[in-house]
Formats: sequence, C-alpha cells, structure tokens
Amino acid sequence: QQQVKQSPQSLIVQKGGISIINCAYENTAFDYFPWYQQFPGKGPALLIAIRPDVSEKKEGRFTISFNKSAKQFSLHIMDSQPGDSATYFCAASTGNNFNKFYFGSGTKLNVKP
Amino acid sequence: ETGVTQSPTHLIKTRGQQVTLRCSSQSGHNTVSWYQQALGQGPQFIFQYYREEENGRGNFPPRFSGLQFPNYSSELNVNALELDDSALYLCASSFDGLSMGTEAFFGQGTRLTVV
Repeated sequence: QQQVKQSPQSLIVQKGGISIINCAYENTAFDYFPWYQQFPGKGPALLIAIRPDVSEKKEGRFTISFNKSAKQFSLHIMDSQPGDSATYFCAASTGNNFNKFYFGSGTKLNVKP
Repeated sequence: ETGVTQSPTHLIKTRGQQVTLRCSSQSGHNTVSWYQQALGQGPQFIFQYYREEENGRGNFPPRFSGLQFPNYSSELNVNALELDDSALYLCASSFDGLSMGTEAFFGQGTRLTVV
C-alpha cells in the first residue's frame, strides 16, 4: 500500500506558466513533508519542505500548500522555466527523522520553451 | 553536488549472485539511509543506520543487509540477486542529534542491473 499518492504522473507546461503537482497521504503521524527534485543521472535534491503547523511555505518561485484536514499537499512552481524540467517527488516522514521517507511515485515535468 | 558519494556508479550482476554497494557520507553526518528506486518509481526506504546500528527497516527481505562503519560510511549488501532487484540504489546521509536533525543529502546512486 502506497503511503503517499502523487499526481499527475507527467506534466507539460509552457515557459512562464504555473506547474502544480499534488500529493495525498493517509498516515496522520506524518509531520514533515519535503519535495525533492531529481535530474536524470542524479540523486534527489531537497527543494522545499513544510511542517503541518503552517498552511503555506514559499521559497522563491516554489510554494508548498498544505491542507491538514484533507491530508493533501501540493507544489506550485511559478514562472516555470525549461531548467525546471525534472522529476519531482513528494515525501513524508514522522518525528524528527529527516532521512526515513515515504516517497510519492514522481511527476515528470517538461517545461516547453 | 552533495558530499555523498556512492560506488560503483553502474553494476551488472547475474541472478543468484551477491553484491555490495558503498556509500561515503557527507562530512559531519552520522546517519545513512538506503533507498531502492525502480525505473519510473519513487525511492523506497530499505533501512537506516544511525551510529553503526540499524534504526528502522522498510519492507525488504533479510537478503538485503547493511553495515555502517565508525567513519559513518555504509555498505548495502544484497544476496541471492533476483531480476526484480534491478534498480537505482540511493544512499542519503544526514545528521541526527538528540533534539534536532538536518536534511538528508542524496548520493548520485548506483545503477544495478541483474541479468
């Protein structure tokens, strides 16, 4: 049973557009929700993360929206650029362990010039 | 680039063989987790080592085993390889203290192909 469900599987966005990726979880013990970016041939790299005590976190063009009651969170990429083309993974963990994650299945983003 | 290095980068093994993958942690980190990433899927947690002791295990059989050394580097061993073990194996290191921890940094992975 997948603990974190991610959609869509793939996404095509025009340069300058907004990319939105959604995740849902079941385990209410999860209390740390990072998003990772992975380029081909590379390991995942932390992009942005949120705790459930806030509903939104913004870092530059990247924003996480968090809905605790719905057990959903999403990544918004504003002004998407071709360099953002990568695979994005949402993840969740419990406690203060920042290295024991349940990952979503990934979203392959393609930003068209 | 992160300070986490994995070796080898690619490996081809025959079904039934054994394999050892290695991970060098980022300086100052005391925790290493291993993940299996099948093609087109998200990483799946295999196990974690904290200060040389196993600290949690995912849904993987006992033929997946590991070690962490005093310098916090780590090995992943897989016995009796199966075709389904073909995947990218990632290690991630972090620092875990009594009341705080740092983000995890991933290595570039080892691509294992079982034929």
